Amino acid sequence: QKEVEQNSGPLSVPEGAIASLNCTYSDRGSQSFFWYRQYSGKSPELIMSIYSNGDKEDGRFTAQLNKASQYVSLLIRDSQPSDSATYLCASRGQAGTALIFGKGTTLSVSS
Amino acid sequence: GAVVSQHPSWVICKSGTSVKIECRSLDFQATTMFWYRQFPKQSLMLMATSNEGSKATYEQGVEKDKFLINHASLTLSTLTVTSAHPEDSSFYICSATGTDFYEQYFGPGTRLTVT
Repeated sequence: QKEVEQNSGPLSVPEGAIASLNCTYSDRGSQSFFWYRQYSGKSPELIMSIYSNGDKEDGRFTAQLNKASQYVSLLIRDSQPSDSATYLCASRGQAGTALIFGKGTTLSVSS
Repeated sequence: GAVVSQHPSWVICKSGTSVKIECRSLDFQATTMFWYRQFPKQSLMLMATSNEGSKATYEQGVEKDKFLINHASLTLSTLTVTSAHPEDSSFYICSATGTDFYEQYFGPGTRLTVT
C-alpha cells in the first residue's frame, strides 16, 4: 500500500514565524513530490513541486526532499494569517499516474 | 500555472435524477484527468483516472455505472452522477495533467447537494 503520512496538526505559529510542515512516503519508486494548499471549502492549489534531492525555493516557500529518508518538507517563512489552510503533501510515481495524497496538515497563523 | 475550469460550481438536484459535471483544461491539452470526491473535514478521495479516448479507470469501491466518466477530447472530461441519492452529496473536484509538465492542476470544484 503506497502511503503518504502527514501530521494532521493543527500546527499553530505566530505571524512572522517559520512554519515547518513534514511528510513521509512509503513508495521508493516515487519520482515527483508536490505541496498543495487547500482553504476550507475550496479545491487544492499547487504551491510547490520538487523532483530531486535538496532544497527548492519559491518566494516565502522552500520545499526540501530527501529520497534516502523518504521525507519531504515545506517551510513557510514570514508566515501570514492568509497562510492558514490545510497543506497537502502528495507523491507520484510515473508521469500521468494519480497523485497519492497525505491527509493534510492544518496550519493556523495567528496575528 | 495551467488553468482548469469546472461547471457548474454548485448544483442542487432531486434524488433519483442525474447530474453532469464538466471539467475543462483552458490553456493546455490534458492527457490525463482525475476525478476526486471530498466530504466535509475529510481527505480527497480519488474516484477515477481518465485518458482521452480511453475508458476511465475507477478506484476500488467506486461504482462505474453510477459515476460515468467521459474524456472525449484533450480539453474536456465529464462526470455524470446517475440516479443521485443524498449520500452522493459531496464536493467533486477534477484535476488534469498535460504532456509538457508533471504538475497536476485542480479545477475549482463542484458542490453537489441531492435533496
